[in-house]
Amino acid sequence: SQTIHQWPATLVQPVGSPLSLECTVEGTSNPNLYWYRQAAGRGLQLLFYSVGIGQISSEVPQNLSASRPQDRQFILSSKKLLLSDSGFYLCAWLLAGNYNEQFFGPGTRLTVL
Amino acid sequence: DAKTTQPPSMDCAEGRAANLPCNHSTISGNEYVYWYRQIHSQGPQYIIHGLKNNETNEMASLIITEDRKSSTLILPHATLRDTAVYYCIVRVRLKKLVFGKGTKLTVNP
Repeated sequence: SQTIHQWPATLVQPVGSPLSLECTVEGTSNPNLYWYRQAAGRGLQLLFYSVGIGQISSEVPQNLSASRPQDRQFILSSKKLLLSDSGFYLCAWLLAGNYNEQFFGPGTRLTVL
Repeated sequence: DAKTTQPPSMDCAEGRAANLPCNHSTISGNEYVYWYRQIHSQGPQYIIHGLKNNETNEMASLIITEDRKSSTLILPHATLRDTAVYYCIVRVRLKKLVFGKGTKLTVNP
């Protein structure tokens, strides 16, 4: 069966520090991968998606970047965090060719102080 | 993707059916209706989807009106664990999911 992992589960970082959040998927090949952010009291915002290794599409201009160095690995990064980067970050995947059900990871709660 | 309108909140008694409405009056012919839910501090979970016909699975039923301009998600016997934010999303299958604000369903004992 397929599993999606995210770490860390929670993170507290100072303003201006770098960020690296990792997401890995098990049990599937060539998935579409997604990064979402949910700010406090707000809806889910799609940040990036990837249809393959090295292929990244950005949905909104921001302080963050994403990379996909391996088929089942998706990384969200920042060189210098802002207060507004605080939120709940969710990684998701779906199987290309079956676009009905998107699977979400457990999320990382990031607090920037 | 078509815009959806959902009530911001609803309450339901435990053991009763929860009926969550969604309006999508601008839906186009190739757009599906999807429902996801998000329990507090967790990632969203897929519930069900449909195009024209009513659908049922182990979690819920989806009723889509004949003109497809609205739909209702039915949880037949709501439990406390069904308390969550429920998102109705319409999209073409190959397009990405766009989440709105959803309906916060509270199931009361």
